[in-house]
Amino acid sequence: AQSVTQPDIHITVSEGASLELRCNYSYGATPYLFWYVQSPGQGLQLLLKYFSGDTLVQGIKGFEAEFKRSQSSFNLRKPSVHWSDAAEYFCAVGDSSASKIIFGSGTRLSIRP
Amino acid sequence: EAGVAQSPRYKIIEKRQSVAFWCNPISGHATLYWYQQILGQGPKLLIQFQNNGVVDDSQLPKDRFSAERLKGVDSTLKIQPAKLEDSAVYLCASSLGVGGRYEQYFGPGTRLTVT
Repeated sequence: AQSVTQPDIHITVSEGASLELRCNYSYGATPYLFWYVQSPGQGLQLLLKYFSGDTLVQGIKGFEAEFKRSQSSFNLRKPSVHWSDAAEYFCAVGDSSASKIIFGSGTRLSIRP
Repeated sequence: EAGVAQSPRYKIIEKRQSVAFWCNPISGHATLYWYQQILGQGPKLLIQFQNNGVVDDSQLPKDRFSAERLKGVDSTLKIQPAKLEDSAVYLCASSLGVGGRYEQYFGPGTRLTVT
């Protein structure tokens, strides 16, 4: 069965510092992988997605993620965070045949001034 | 392009009462999803429609939850009777098609508090 693990419940980084949010998945076939962001009181917004091809994926708002099949990981990175990046981040996995995607439990990002 | 619309944004009810949520997906999106997001957790799919047919409702508590999408556009999700553990944010999303590769667009959600 598909599953997604986000091991970090809450992360705090200083503004301007680099960021890496971890995501591990369990899936037998080639997964489709997603990162979503949820600001307080808002719905989820897609940051980026991986289906195939280049394992380094660029997204919106300066985010990128790298698919590592050997580690079953799809970590989200940003070289320099801004205060506006404070939000909840969700990793998700799906496939072409499944009718749904499975979300991780999320990582809450706080930014230290 | 207008996004996914949901109403109401907030609802407070007492246990054993009933409640209904409404969702209007992005125009042209055939697939519509209802998710339940409990505080501190990721969204959990309750039901998925393709046009006006149900694709997946395996995690919908059918003894109390119901959903419909009669004309293949708008959808309503109903809870009757509500329990304390139903307190959550109910998110509606839509996509062009079925399957993991189709991006889902989310509405702002309805925050339900059951007292």
